[in-house]
Amino acid sequence: DQQVKQNSPSLSVQEGRISILNCDYTNSMFDYFLWYKKYPAEGPTFLISISSIKDKNEDGRFTVFLNKSAKHLSLHIVPSQPGDSAVYFCAASAEGDKIIFGKGTRLHILP
Amino acid sequence: DTAVSQTPKYLVTQMGNDKSIKCEQNLGHDTMYWYKQDSKKFLKIMFSYNNKELIINETVPNRFSPKSPDKAHLNLHINSLELGDSAVYFCASSLAVRGLSSYEQYFGPGTRLTVT
Repeated sequence: DQQVKQNSPSLSVQEGRISILNCDYTNSMFDYFLWYKKYPAEGPTFLISISSIKDKNEDGRFTVFLNKSAKHLSLHIVPSQPGDSAVYFCAASAEGDKIIFGKGTRLHILP
Repeated sequence: DTAVSQTPKYLVTQMGNDKSIKCEQNLGHDTMYWYKQDSKKFLKIMFSYNNKELIINETVPNRFSPKSPDKAHLNLHINSLELGDSAVYFCASSLAVRGLSSYEQYFGPGTRLTVT
């Protein structure tokens, strides 16, 4: 039972353009959402998070949007850079509970 | 300085053996975790310790036993290894906030376990 779904296994984006990674969730009790980035042979690195009381959180080139009614969140990266090529994991949790991770989306930034 | 470190990075062993993976964090965090990333790439939590106390124990075979000698260390011991145990195991740590779980976890580099 996948509570956090990342339906695109991979995404290719031209350098300098916007990358949009999508994530859907099924558990309406989730109240905190995170994005992690992972390079090969390394552990995931925290990128950005958002609480369910907000619909947008921005940190430099990274913005996360949350649509609670649609149970959908997205990560926007603009402008995309070569170093952004990695696997991005969406994750969610309900207060006092564990974090549930999605399967990840591999982002390729093309020169 | 490595924040969360794991040893070994690679581990190849035969079925039936017993092995351990060690994890240490120097972030001063109160909570540590073990995750398993299987062949389907899902990252799933196995255990969580807060100040040496077990707080999350997912449906994991009892061949897996975590040990936390202090809050900076969380080791994973696996008895009678099976082929299906082959995976990448990640250790992580976080500050304990909002009850039992914290939301920004710092991960180690992973240990790739291959059981033959």
